[in-house]
Amino acid sequence: DQQVKQNSPSLSVQEGRISILNCDYTNSMFDYFLWYKKYPAEGPTFLISISSIKDKNEDGRFTVFLNKSAKHLSLHIVPSQPGDSAVYFCAASDEAGNNRKLIWGLGTSLAVNP
Amino acid sequence: DGGITQSPKYLFRKEGQNVTLSCEQNLNHDAMYWYRQDPGQGLRLIYYSQIVNDFQKGDIAEGYSVSREKKESFPLTVTSAQKNPTAFYLCASSGSIYQPQHFGDGTRLSIL
Repeated sequence: DQQVKQNSPSLSVQEGRISILNCDYTNSMFDYFLWYKKYPAEGPTFLISISSIKDKNEDGRFTVFLNKSAKHLSLHIVPSQPGDSAVYFCAASDEAGNNRKLIWGLGTSLAVNP
Repeated sequence: DGGITQSPKYLFRKEGQNVTLSCEQNLNHDAMYWYRQDPGQGLRLIYYSQIVNDFQKGDIAEGYSVSREKKESFPLTVTSAQKNPTAFYLCASSGSIYQPQHFGDGTRLSIL
């Protein structure tokens, strides 16, 4: 029973356009969300996080939006670059970002085409 | 360069043998973690350690053991009691359990 769902296994976007990666969750107690990026043969790298007291957090080209009523968050990458091609994981915690409590999605593979 | 080193990248063992996966970090992080990744599943926490000489079971600790004798090192032993040990294992560390984690590049374990 997946509490964190990334329903699109893959996404393909043209360079320069916006990439939107989605994540849905079922547990209303989740209060902290993170996005990680993973290249082949490497470990995941932390990208950006958001607390449930916010609905948006921005860091350069990356913005995460949180819609608590819909139990949905999304990661926007603008503009997309070929180097953004990777697998993106969404993770959630019900204890203010406690890493013991992280629940991970299965990932979405993003391909940014030149 | 600061980071987390997992070795080896690929590991093959015969059924019934214990095997130890290495994880070393030079980030001066207090907290360290071991995860397992299987096809069709998200990362699952095996064990974590908040400080030296202390560690706690995660969600799927059965068949695994760890030690934390040094801040830099958190080895994971996959014992013969682990029923399905073939998987991709990731080690991570963070300044505290409330800070984002840094991951190693993983070890793929295959039981022959």
